[in-house]
Amino acid sequence: GAGVSQSPRYKVAKRGQDVALRCDPISGHVSLFWYQQALGQGPEFLTYFQNEAQLDKSGLPSDRFFAERPEGSVSTLKIQRTQQEDSAVYLCASSLYTGDHTYNSPLHFGNGTRLTVT
Amino acid sequence: DAKTTQPNSMESNEEEPVHLPCNHSTISGTDYIHWYRQLPSQGPEYVIHGLTSNVNNRMASLAIAEDRKSSTLILHRATLRDAAVYYCIPPIGRGGGADGLTFGKGTHLIIQP
Repeated sequence: GAGVSQSPRYKVAKRGQDVALRCDPISGHVSLFWYQQALGQGPEFLTYFQNEAQLDKSGLPSDRFFAERPEGSVSTLKIQRTQQEDSAVYLCASSLYTGDHTYNSPLHFGNGTRLTVT
Repeated sequence: DAKTTQPNSMESNEEEPVHLPCNHSTISGTDYIHWYRQLPSQGPEYVIHGLTSNVNNRMASLAIAEDRKSSTLILHRATLRDAAVYYCIPPIGRGGGADGLTFGKGTHLIIQP
């Protein structure tokens, strides 16, 4: 079956440009997460959706970062006025269920979007 | 929040078993222990998870210490395709009720042919 799909796979942006990164989760998955992974580091949590509700955005590094999931399926991570420090791989993950015991539900990751800001 | 400690890197030979250790001395009684791995240029991939007893699946085995302060991921017969960064993760509930996983730096597993 289809896994988590992210597009574009690579994105080069000039400093100051806005970018939009797309995530298509596995159909029926309630939870959706965005992570940022700098070179040589583990993924860092950015934000979390349960259906269309953004329940946690504590990891977003600045107000230039914005995520949405308006219909509870596809999600978009938008970065405004990109800076060089935004260069990283942005990973999306989805899982089947959320609730008191969501840690029993594995996350399924996409292969990420590699953003390079020049 | 629970913290984990893993070796930065480990090396093993192909077709030999590999034991990847993880210390999580501050884990709570209800936190599952998750293991993920990340191959080059790919997103992390779920490997296994468990709570108290040892767990097995087609990819690996997870041995959890009786006091739950440590666990060991066991690859029974490593192949070159198992070369990856392995993350041991106790989930951390966040303010909004999310259970996003928090990754550390993991263990870089090198497999020698």
